[in-house]
Amino acid sequence: DIQMTQSPSSLSASVGDRVTITCQASQDISNYLNWYQQKPGKAPKLLIYDGSNLETGVPSRFSGSGSGTDFTFTISSLQPEDIATYYCQQYDNLPFTFGPGTRVDIK
Amino acid sequence: QVQLQESGPGLVKPSETLSLTCTVSGGSVSSGSYYWSWIRQPPGKGLEWIGYIYYSGSTTYNPSLKSRVTISVDTSKNQFSLKLSSVTAADTAVYYCARVYWSAYTPRGSRPRTSYYFDYWGQGTLVTVSS
Repeated sequence: DIQMTQSPSSLSASVGDRVTITCQASQDISNYLNWYQQKPGKAPKLLIYDGSNLETGVPSRFSGSGSGTDFTFTISSLQPEDIATYYCQQYDNLPFTFGPGTRVDIK
Repeated sequence: QVQLQESGPGLVKPSETLSLTCTVSGGSVSSGSYYWSWIRQPPGKGLEWIGYIYYSGSTTYNPSLKSRVTISVDTSKNQFSLKLSSVTAADTAVYYCARVYWSAYTPRGSRPRTSYYFDYWGQGTLVTVSS
């Protein structure tokens, strides 16, 4: 299985701050990577697919980049409604695997 | 708007079989553009993909659960289902059903690729394994 790691595991930032989360794959996955947002008690929501494509209806402050084994997810200006846990997910090889998540809080 | 809704018992005894159904509305499980998947999340932990099914009945399972998992589809009811046998406390989790969008294409100057992503999810249902 392809192992996914994320850092940091949690972070606190102020409203308006730029937030960056990194995701690393245990092997080259090209850009076969998606990002999801999960708010407490809710199902995950797709934000970014194919590494950098913004899902329809998702605010443009969210973005993704990277290829190979190293990926970055960015919130350009953190908003109170962005409090959530963010997961990366690879689909280069089955089984699909998720990163352990990064919890984002407001400072 | 596509909606998915999980249903089934919230409490299962150890060694028994967990059974859940996902009812799809606003879309069809018979569409060839999607797979239909189950994903679980133990309390306070991360996400684990269980497997998926195509409308034809073709399935793919996570090897870590393959010996205990069966996913089936009922196109007449627009539903798909999960059975997980011989459950233990480690199977206690929120179980989500989700639609998997897939797309095969060849970017210019690049090799053919297939994209997959979970674009619609059910709200999730907590299943506790306990006697």
